[in-house]
Amino acid sequence: DTGVSQDPRHKITKRGQNVTFRCDPISEHNRLYWYRQTLGQGPEFLTYFQNEAQLEKSRLLSDRFSAERPKGSFSTLEIQRTEQGDSAMYLCASSSSGHSNTEAFFGQGTRLTVV
Amino acid sequence: GEDVEQSLFLSVREGDSSVINCTYTDSSSTYLYWYKQEPGAGLQLLTYIFSNMDMKQDQRLTVLLNKKDKHLSLRIADTQTGDSAIYFCADDSGGYQKVTFGTGTKLQVIP
Repeated sequence: DTGVSQDPRHKITKRGQNVTFRCDPISEHNRLYWYRQTLGQGPEFLTYFQNEAQLEKSRLLSDRFSAERPKGSFSTLEIQRTEQGDSAMYLCASSSSGHSNTEAFFGQGTRLTVV
Repeated sequence: GEDVEQSLFLSVREGDSSVINCTYTDSSSTYLYWYKQEPGAGLQLLTYIFSNMDMKQDQRLTVLLNKKDKHLSLRIADTQTGDSAIYFCADDSGGYQKVTFGTGTKLQVIP
């Protein structure tokens, strides 16, 4: 396993278009998280899945954002009608709910630029 | 809500020690973390400390935790140019390894 994988690494889109990002977590991890990082800031939590269930959504996740994890493995994050303010790095992380686990592993992110 | 604060920038000479400081507001954290982010790379967990510990040492890294003052620090001994990066303090106050990050401290190491 090579870690958390995100695709694409970069996406440039025109304002108003829809975009979808994919995250493949570490295979034995049942927890998956999406974060957003804007320039000069730390990552901010967007949403969290345990297996296929979406258990928490941040108020940052507007109605234009939707995330899924249909089979409890990979996840997608879709942004509809993109706005310039959506330009950011979107980070995915995964972890295990095992007793001794202390760490979420991050992917390299998808950098979105809305023009 | 939870708030994690860091100074924005630190510059040190190669071979000196670096100390990056962090304050947080939520006392319910179980773990506190230090992550490193290099340009174009993802977040790398450097080290973490359990909330009932005062100190943790891991090779060149020393983490100090003052729970009373809600203050966390990361000391990097013998700082190298390869240590130049942004360092994020974070905690799991949200539970289930959901992490709240600070704003990051950019460490510049001068040769």
